Amino acid sequence: KAGVTQTPRYLIKTRGQQVTLSCSPISGHRSVSWYQQTPGQGLQFLFEYFSETQRNKGNFPGRFSGRQFSNSRSEMNVSTLELGDSALYLCASSNGRTEQYFGPGTRLTVT
Amino acid sequence: DQQVKQNSPSLSVQEGRISILNCDYTNSMFDYFLWYKKYPAEGPTFLISISSIKDKNEDGRFTVFLNKSAKHLSLHIVPSQPGDSAVYFCAASGNMIYNQGGKLIFGQGTELSVKP
Repeated sequence: KAGVTQTPRYLIKTRGQQVTLSCSPISGHRSVSWYQQTPGQGLQFLFEYFSETQRNKGNFPGRFSGRQFSNSRSEMNVSTLELGDSALYLCASSNGRTEQYFGPGTRLTVT
Repeated sequence: DQQVKQNSPSLSVQEGRISILNCDYTNSMFDYFLWYKKYPAEGPTFLISISSIKDKNEDGRFTVFLNKSAKHLSLHIVPSQPGDSAVYFCAASGNMIYNQGGKLIFGQGTELSVKP
C-alpha cells in the first residue's frame, strides 16, 4: 500500500498570504489528523477529520482550518500567515485504530 | 501545561547495549501510548504502542513498559544499532470510545545516538 502523501513538500509564503496544504491518506484510512512541528513547541495537534467531519480540534487560532473530502483526502488552510506559522506541517492517517501513520510533511516558510 | 514529558533531550549508547528512553504523563485519562521514531525533515515512523490495560508490549528489539501508578512509560531497544540513531517521541491518546483516539499528545522527544 502506498503511504501517506503530502503536497507540496516545500512552500515559501509572505506574511499576510494564505496557504493550502494537501494530504492523501493510506487507502482505506478514514481518519486524517494534522500536526504542526516547530523547534520551540514540538509536535502539536491541529485537528482530526473523520468521514468529512472535524472530530477533534487542538488549541490553534481560527486562521487554521481544514476539511476532508468524500475520498478521505484532506486539506488544511492557514489564512493571514504570520512569521510564527513557519513550521513542518504533518498529516497522519488511521484506519480507526490509535496508531497513526505520518506523511513526510510540508515545510512552510513564512517571510 | 505539558501533559506528556520526555525529560532527557538526548541519550548516547554504545552499539549492542540497551537503550532506555523514558516518558512521563500527567493525564490519567490517557488510554493508549505510542512511540515514534523521527529523522530530520521526515514524518514520524510508528514503532510500537501499548494500551493502558497492559504493562508490557514487545515487538522484536523494541519493548514498551507502562507503569500506570507512576504515570511512566519506557521504551527499551535491545540490542541498539547505529541505524537506531534518531529522535524518539512518545505520544498519548484518549479513549477511542469517546472519539479521542485521533488526537495524539506528543512529548518533546529524545535524541538517541548509538555509537559503533
